[in-house]
Amino acid sequence: AQRVTQPEKLLSVFKGAPVELKCNYSYSGSPELFWYVQYSRQRLQLLLRHISRESIKGFTADLNKGETSFHLKKPFAQEEDSAMYYCALLTGGGNKLTFGTGTQLKVEL
Amino acid sequence: NAGVTQTPKFRILKIGQSMTLQCTQDMNHNYMYWYRQDPGMGLKLIYYSVGAGITDKGEVPNGYNVSRSTTEDFPLRLELAAPSQTSVYFCASSVGYSSYNEQFFGPGTRLTVL
Repeated sequence: AQRVTQPEKLLSVFKGAPVELKCNYSYSGSPELFWYVQYSRQRLQLLLRHISRESIKGFTADLNKGETSFHLKKPFAQEEDSAMYYCALLTGGGNKLTFGTGTQLKVEL
Repeated sequence: NAGVTQTPKFRILKIGQSMTLQCTQDMNHNYMYWYRQDPGMGLKLIYYSVGAGITDKGEVPNGYNVSRSTTEDFPLRLELAAPSQTSVYFCASSVGYSSYNEQFFGPGTRLTVL
C-alpha cells in the first residue's frame, strides 16, 4: 500500500539558515509527488509539484527514486516560510492524494 | 470566485445525531474530495467524486455517505455521529486527473462529537 512519511513533526531554524523538510514515500507505481503548505489562518494550498521541476518562493524538491524521497529545500529561510508543510503522493484513479502527517516549520529571528 | 466553500465552520454533535457538511465549488471542477484530519495526523480521504452522479470510497469511508447531484455541490453526511468522528473535515476540488492538476481546498469544518 502507498505511504508517505514525514519524520519530523517540528523543524525550527533561524532566519537565513538552510531548510530541508524530509519526505519519504512507498508506492509500487510511478510516483508523482507534491508539497502542500498551510500558512497560519489560511487554506491548504499547493506549493510545488515534482513534475514541473519548479522553484516556488525559493523552495525546490527533487524526486530521488533510489532513496524514495522528495525532500523540500530552501537555501535561506525567511520568517514568512513559517507554516505547516505536507508531502503528498498521487495514487491511482480519481486524482487521489495520500498525505504525510506534516512538518511544522518555525523560522526564528 | 469564492473557490471552495464549506459550512458550517464549527459544530458540536451529540453521539447518535446526524448532520450534513456542505461543500460547494464555483470553479466548474469535475473532481471533488472529502478528507478528515485528526490531531497530529495527515489528511485521510473519505470519499471522492469524478463528476456529477459518480462517487467512490476513499481510505476511511465508514460512517459517512456522500452524493453528487450537481457539479458544484458535494455534501458529506454523518448518519450516527460517534466520538471517533471528531475531526477537522476538508473539502477539495480539482479540474480532473493530471499530474499538473492541483487540488483546491476549503477552509475546513471542525466537528466535535460528545
